[in-house]
Amino acid sequence: AQSVTQLDSHVSVSEGTPVLLRCNYSSSYSPSLFWYVQHPNKGLQLLLKYTSAATLVKGINGFEAEFKKSETSFHLTKPSAHMSDAAEYFCVVISGGGNKLTFGTGTQLKVEL
Amino acid sequence: DGGITQSPKYLFRKEGQNVTLSCEQNLNHDAMYWYRQDPGQGLRLIYYSQIVNDFQKGDIAEGYSVSREKKESFPLTVTSAQKNPTAFYLCASSKEGVGVNQPQHFGDGTRLSIL
Repeated sequence: AQSVTQLDSHVSVSEGTPVLLRCNYSSSYSPSLFWYVQHPNKGLQLLLKYTSAATLVKGINGFEAEFKKSETSFHLTKPSAHMSDAAEYFCVVISGGGNKLTFGTGTQLKVEL
Repeated sequence: DGGITQSPKYLFRKEGQNVTLSCEQNLNHDAMYWYRQDPGQGLRLIYYSQIVNDFQKGDIAEGYSVSREKKESFPLTVTSAQKNPTAFYLCASSKEGVGVNQPQHFGDGTRLSIL
């Protein structure tokens, strides 16, 4: 069984300040974890993925995430927010060599001037 | 560029009507998926297909049907049995369906509304 919890449904930051979107997971097997971003009325775009290699994963647009097994966390960060980062972000887990993704309920990121 | 094309972008259904959502991919991916997205609920899996001429029910398959006659195509029919069809529907594909934890690639979605 696998599950993922996104701890904040909404996050608001000022442009130029750091972003932290929190994600905790549960998995019976060694998981792979992904972060996706969704802009309004668009599909999901893969930001980054963890698949049991380096625990600090760098993605597109300056985002990165760290896999912490002891804390069962995979938080998404960015040092400096940009207005174009405003979107909904989904943390996703897959495990056991299967093909069924389990999605978090999403975090809406708002970036203010 | 390779990708996933969903059409139409917006679709309206009358009561008692079946409608079909199109999904085509040119990524040469084996597996394809259909998700339903409702506000505040994330994505829920409707159906998936790991190979041509085979598909499996996901978590919310009731009121939906699919076919996989070609590798590139995975159309979804929303039948009149689906009583609450208003949602954003997303199609996805991945390189391998079983045995590896592959990310999925998504289309831009179809928004279905009831007239």
